[in-house]
This record gives sequence, C-alpha cells and structure tokens, in this order.
Amino acid sequence: DADVTQTPRNRITKTGKRIMLECSQTKGHDRMYWYRQDPGLGLRLIYYSFDVKDINKGEISDGYSVSRQAQAKFSLSLESAIPNQTALYFCATSDLGLAGLETQYFGPGTRLLVL
Amino acid sequence: QKEVEQNSGPLSVPEGAIASLNCTYSDRGSQSFFWYRQYSGKSPELIMFIYSNGDKEDGRFTAQLNKASQYVSLLIRDSQPSDSATYLCADYGQNFVFGPGTRLSVLP
Repeated sequence: DADVTQTPRNRITKTGKRIMLECSQTKGHDRMYWYRQDPGLGLRLIYYSFDVKDINKGEISDGYSVSRQAQAKFSLSLESAIPNQTALYFCATSDLGLAGLETQYFGPGTRLLVL
Repeated sequence: QKEVEQNSGPLSVPEGAIASLNCTYSDRGSQSFFWYRQYSGKSPELIMFIYSNGDKEDGRFTAQLNKASQYVSLLIRDSQPSDSATYLCADYGQNFVFGPGTRLSVLP
C-alpha cells in the first residue's frame, strides 16, 4: 500500500464551487505539506503543518485553506474555485531522516481542472 | 524570497553519455540542496541531497555544490533512456524551495 495517498486523483469542477482534496499518510510523520505544480513553475508551497496544532501559510496560500484532522490526515480546500487554480496538487510528508536533514515523500498527486 | 533557477531544457544526451544538470540559487546563506526526479505524470522522488562544498557520489549520480558561486549540479553517468525525466533542484532552509526543473531526454 502507498505510504502517502491523495483523493481524488482527478477532479473537474466549475468556477465558484468549493472542493476538498484529501491526503492521508501511514508513515507516521508529523510534517505535512501541500504544493501545486504548474508547467514551467515547479512546485510551489501552499500550506504546511508541523503537527496537528500547527498550520502555516506557504508562498501561495491565497484562495486556499487547510485542515489537519489528525497526524495522518491533511486536507486542502478551495473555497471558491477559479480557473487559474487548475494545476497538479501534491501532498508531501517529511521526517528528519538522512543525516538529520528533512526528507520529503510525495503523494501521487491530484490533477484539478477548474472550468 | 529565495529563488532557485534551472534551465527548463529539454537537455538531450545520447545513451551512455554523461548528463549534466545545473541549478543556481539566490540565498547565499543556503546550506542544503536536494535533487528530485519526476517522471511525466508522476510524483517527485528523491535522488540525493548535498550540504557540503564539493562532490557527493551515489551510484551513477554525482551531486556537486559550489557555495561561492551559488551553484549546484547533478551529473548522471552512463545515461539510460530510463533516466529521461524532469529533474528538480530544491533549496532546503525553513522549507523546500524548488526550481522549475530541467527536462532530460536520453536518446537510445
């Protein structure tokens, strides 16, 4: 079974709709992240959480919100979707593994299309 | 704000050649860097990290860091068609800051 799962894997929605992307992990990591990826722009950080009571904005948090329901679950919501939120969304978890450096593990991604 | 720059490519090399992927970063205080490989439509997967000046080797991969020039590179020896992917460079500080990636194509 995959260590980091994302649901749904693909989603088409309309402008103005509220949608939620979910992420679950079985790795036991405290740190979880949401990124979006757009062609030519790489991965950009939306929100991150270092534990259940800790939520932090990333580089591009406007138009998004998150919920850390448990250590294993981190959800991303688009309150009112707009077409420029069409992107590939990745959840990631991390631990302080290699030589004490944080190592990230990515989920399979959710492809979102906003019409 | 930190920035990481990479040539988007595509970088094309023949099978068996050395592929050289480059990355520059804006924060002179940055210490640690990661290289990820991402196949089309898939999630990034870690190749290796480097935090000391000089070279670090892992199998066919060598990462090079030059802090004075704010330059990180990844060399792939004996390139294979299966190495064809996008390679992401990331600057690790408080969080990861990713470059846009370089698309590598290894031609049989």
